[in-house]
Amino acid sequence: AQKVTQAQTEISVVEKEDVTLDCVYETRDTTYYLFWYKQPPSGELVFLIRRNSFDEQNEISGRYSWNFQKSTSSFNFTITASQVVDSAVYFCALSEAQGNTGKLIFGQGTTLQVKP
Amino acid sequence: DAGITQSPRHKVTETGTPVTLRCHQTENHRYMYWYRQDPGHGLRLIHYSYGVKDTDKGEVSDGYSVSRSKTEDFLLTLESATSSQTSVYFCAISEQGLAGGGTQYFGPGTRLLVL
Repeated sequence: AQKVTQAQTEISVVEKEDVTLDCVYETRDTTYYLFWYKQPPSGELVFLIRRNSFDEQNEISGRYSWNFQKSTSSFNFTITASQVVDSAVYFCALSEAQGNTGKLIFGQGTTLQVKP
Repeated sequence: DAGITQSPRHKVTETGTPVTLRCHQTENHRYMYWYRQDPGHGLRLIHYSYGVKDTDKGEVSDGYSVSRSKTEDFLLTLESATSSQTSVYFCAISEQGLAGGGTQYFGPGTRLLVL
């Protein structure tokens, strides 16, 4: 069965520190997609990135970077030089290419607190 | 940002009353979803739609029904609200199904309190 584990429940850092949020997934499918979402204190869910299982190239977007490693079934998210505005709950999610619509499974989320 | 609105944004109701939540999109996406978010359970899929009048159950569908008569609207109904349905409800849309790698974009959420 597919599963997403975000072992870090809460992380607290001081502004300008780098921080990595871990995501480990389980799937038996060879085609799947991984996502990260951000949920700031205001409550909305904001899409950050999608990665498919055939693309292991790491991605960088400004201060955000993602490291996808199929060998360890991990899709980790790093924020460089963190800022207070990065404080949020971050969710990793997995969808498999099965059936007509697939299914999106979320991890439990990691709460990141960035202190000034 | 994807054009998704949810109404109402906040609602307080009493046990046993029917409640309907509305999700409206302006993106003309085929797929729409309803999730609930609860502490300790994360996000769980209630129902989803893969086209007008085409819907199916998610993992926590008991006590909920949905309807989609137009592409842009997806309604979630609690036939007889219970306190266990107190939650934050999110609507999501995607152009492609998840099986095809579709990305879900979420609405702002509805906070529902059942007394």
